[in-house]
Amino acid sequence: GESVGLHLPTLSVQEGDNSIINCAYSNSASDYFIWYKQESGKGPQFIIDIRSNMDKRQGQRVTVLLNKTVKHLSLQIAATQPGDSAVYFCAENKNDYKLSFGAGTTVTVRA
Amino acid sequence: GAVVSQHPSWVICKSGTSVKIECRSLDFQATTMFWYRQFPKQSLMLMATSNEGSKATYEQGVEKDKFLINHASLTLSTLTVTSAHPEDSSFYICSAGTYRGQETQYFGPGTRLLVL
Repeated sequence: GESVGLHLPTLSVQEGDNSIINCAYSNSASDYFIWYKQESGKGPQFIIDIRSNMDKRQGQRVTVLLNKTVKHLSLQIAATQPGDSAVYFCAENKNDYKLSFGAGTTVTVRA
Repeated sequence: GAVVSQHPSWVICKSGTSVKIECRSLDFQATTMFWYRQFPKQSLMLMATSNEGSKATYEQGVEKDKFLINHASLTLSTLTVTSAHPEDSSFYICSAGTYRGQETQYFGPGTRLLVL
């Protein structure tokens, strides 16, 4: 079925390094994508979003890249900090106000 | 901005009882509210979508008579788990949708339900 998935379930990164979290989606009709961060025992926190008419969007220390040709989405975190340790989910919106979530990538920051 | 609250944050109840969870958008009016459940180390699963003043739309496999949703206003939605059983124990998360050029969802902190 059509769904959003993550390439890697876990990512370990050294503090101060850049992190790249990947996501593949299969529905070419999806036109809006969101990255969420979820810390243990908490609800998902909005990080950044991107529409399908864009291929890059930057926020504070984060960049989202969208490659519609290969249906690939990535989240880059610059200068990763211990507070960035969490599960990261990509989600796609198919213009029906519902979000379809990927499996999530657990990011662990090593001191 | 875009703050969503949930109450309670955790609840323990006996099997067979009902539990009500509230979801509020604190600083904006939500066009739509969503209810999810999440099992440990798994992703979020959408249970239902609710709009103020109308019946909720449930996802396939979700029992509407067991998970009652009431969307009384543009800032409040409630989920009632009726006749709870241990298999209903989970992390329940609501989100509120608002338009940011696209329908973006902001999530509450979640409610952990444990049914004994």
